[in-house]
Amino acid sequence: GAVVSQHPSRVICKSGTSVKIECRSLDFQATTMFWYRQFPKQSLMLMATSNEGSKATYEQGVEKDKFLINHASLTLSTLTVTSAHPEDSSFYICSAPYPAGGDNSPLHFGNGTRLTVT
Amino acid sequence: GQNIDQPTEMTATEGAIVQINCTYQTSGFNGLFWYQQHAGEAPTFLSYNVLDGLEEKGRFSSFLSRSKGYSYLLLKELQMKDSASYLCAVLDSNYQLIWGAGTKLIIKP
Repeated sequence: GAVVSQHPSRVICKSGTSVKIECRSLDFQATTMFWYRQFPKQSLMLMATSNEGSKATYEQGVEKDKFLINHASLTLSTLTVTSAHPEDSSFYICSAPYPAGGDNSPLHFGNGTRLTVT
Repeated sequence: GQNIDQPTEMTATEGAIVQINCTYQTSGFNGLFWYQQHAGEAPTFLSYNVLDGLEEKGRFSSFLSRSKGYSYLLLKELQMKDSASYLCAVLDSNYQLIWGAGTKLIIKP
């Protein structure tokens, strides 16, 4: 079935550094990918929608200069957390809608990235 | 505003049956989804309902009543591995997924 691959699964970085998270659709093309953040014991919060070939759409309250999104191809989207701070420590998950007709699920998720900023 | 309500936590016994309810008020409706999420992992798809009624899939069933803005996920023959959070999500008129906060299900032996 469709698979979304997300790397790295875990990353620890120092405050002030930048971290890049990759999300790849392995056997289908994804013109759109979604990036979520999830704090402990809370629901998924949509951060932004990444669109291949155009600028990402950010949700209200999400700083686009801090969370850089690049959807370089139909199978790859990246999220870069710039100048990370401890409050950015969270679980980041990407997802991509699978084309109609193949599955009832609207989204396939990557395995997530646990970011810890020290 | 858009709102999805589900209980924060439920406890059940291994081998028993549990029903997790979800009520929603959204701008439009294009389907309701249930996802299972184990701690520290990404959600996995369980079910999709767009028409009223019950959808059965093995030990899991999902029910929808659009007129009542209500759904439930029914888990039978509970196993310890079913301990997880269960997320209810609605696709609104703009085809945006609105997520509930999730129900943490604790299974006891």
